[in-house]
Amino acid sequence: EVQLLESGGGLVQPGRSLRLSCAASGFMFGDYAMHWVRQVPGKGLEWVSGISWNGDNAGYADSVKGRFTISRDNAKKSLYLQMNSLRAEDMALYYCAKGFNSGWYHAADSWGQGTLVIVSS
Amino acid sequence: EIVLTQSPGTLSLSPGERTTLSCRASQSVSSSSLAWYQQRPGQAPRLLIYGASSRATGIPDRFTGSGSGTDFTLTISRLEPEDFAVYYCQQYGSSPFTFGPGTKVDIK
Repeated sequence: EVQLLESGGGLVQPGRSLRLSCAASGFMFGDYAMHWVRQVPGKGLEWVSGISWNGDNAGYADSVKGRFTISRDNAKKSLYLQMNSLRAEDMALYYCAKGFNSGWYHAADSWGQGTLVIVSS
Repeated sequence: EIVLTQSPGTLSLSPGERTTLSCRASQSVSSSSLAWYQQRPGQAPRLLIYGASSRATGIPDRFTGSGSGTDFTLTISRLEPEDFAVYYCQQYGSSPFTFGPGTKVDIK
């Protein structure tokens, strides 16, 4: 069974940084692309970033490009999201999601339960 | 960026009814790279359909996706109690990937 466990969320001041982690189990992590998707409670979904199986290719939403960096460690079966220069509009529940195959240009077929990021002074 | 529009915003239906949800893209979605997700209250999204018309693993055949280019639909043939949820379409053919605003299907 695929399991994705996000961590690292919490309260952070505007302009500061936060690093999210996602620990994966139940599948061959190194064979699949991964994504981060966020959701303001009560609102819709927003794709944040995706990364290919080997980390060589990645993409970002315009709203986070230049501030957020996605990365992965296949040996540790872990996905990361480094979030810098955080803004109030970054406040959301951040989901880690498994890609359908090795390339990141595909849907996400398994999701974690999310970690909440609150940006406030 | 491709903008997705979903209609209607909300549907009030009864169990057993058939319904069709619409997703329209601001430009053509390449290779029919269109997915549908279901999100129940308090839960993470679940992939229903990918490639516009392929059902994900374990998805019942009452869910059918169709369409190409800029117009896509998700049909639920007979609503079961567990189908009352919010449904999102997503295009993944062009970065940045984008989601539609969602259609809420609630019980009449």
